[in-house]
Amino acid sequence: DAEITQSPRHKITETGRQVTLACHQTWNHNNMFWYRQDLGHGLRLIHYSYGVQDTNKGEVSDGYSVSRSNTEDLPLTLESAASSQTSVYFCASSLDTLSETQYFGPGTRLLVL
Amino acid sequence: DQQVKQNSPSLSVQEGRISILNCDYTNSMFDYFLWYKKYPAEGPTFLISISSIKDKNEDGRFTVFLNKSAKHLSLHIVPSQPGDSAVYFCAATFNPGGGADGLTFGKGTHLIIQP
Repeated sequence: DAEITQSPRHKITETGRQVTLACHQTWNHNNMFWYRQDLGHGLRLIHYSYGVQDTNKGEVSDGYSVSRSNTEDLPLTLESAASSQTSVYFCASSLDTLSETQYFGPGTRLLVL
Repeated sequence: DQQVKQNSPSLSVQEGRISILNCDYTNSMFDYFLWYKKYPAEGPTFLISISSIKDKNEDGRFTVFLNKSAKHLSLHIVPSQPGDSAVYFCAATFNPGGGADGLTFGKGTHLIIQP
């Protein structure tokens, strides 16, 4: 079955380290998104991509970067992890620019010490 | 300033009764609204959606109502079942030029179904 997966599911890192969170989908969806979920904030958009080589900043993009080299993957990189980036990260995808419904992965819980 | 608001952090409903979850929005550009359900340690799961050209959409036990003039939508679950206990997120988006942008989420409402 087609699906969207995230790895790792849990990660502990230290302040200043570079961290990359993986997102892989097998639906052949053009659009992919990264969100973070924090208490009192719901989910907030970090970055998104409409297709290969396309990336766009979301509401809370500072300190994060993404790259889209193929349709299936959108890795999220924290260039220099900060304690404020401790959060649960969700990846999502949608079929194309006419599809508003997004489908979410299981999440990655990141702790920055 | 939050553009999508869910003012009830939690809601307790007896099994078999109707659950009504509310959501307000401030951005009049939003033209598509979605409800997601989330269990602990899992990703949000799409539940139901509604376009701004409609005022009601129904799917089994779930119905979403949209009042554009009041910038308000609600999710009705009837009858409520124990498996409905979860956090429900309201989300909204707009598509200038047809593009699918990220969703703007509310903070969520924790629905608890009591036996």
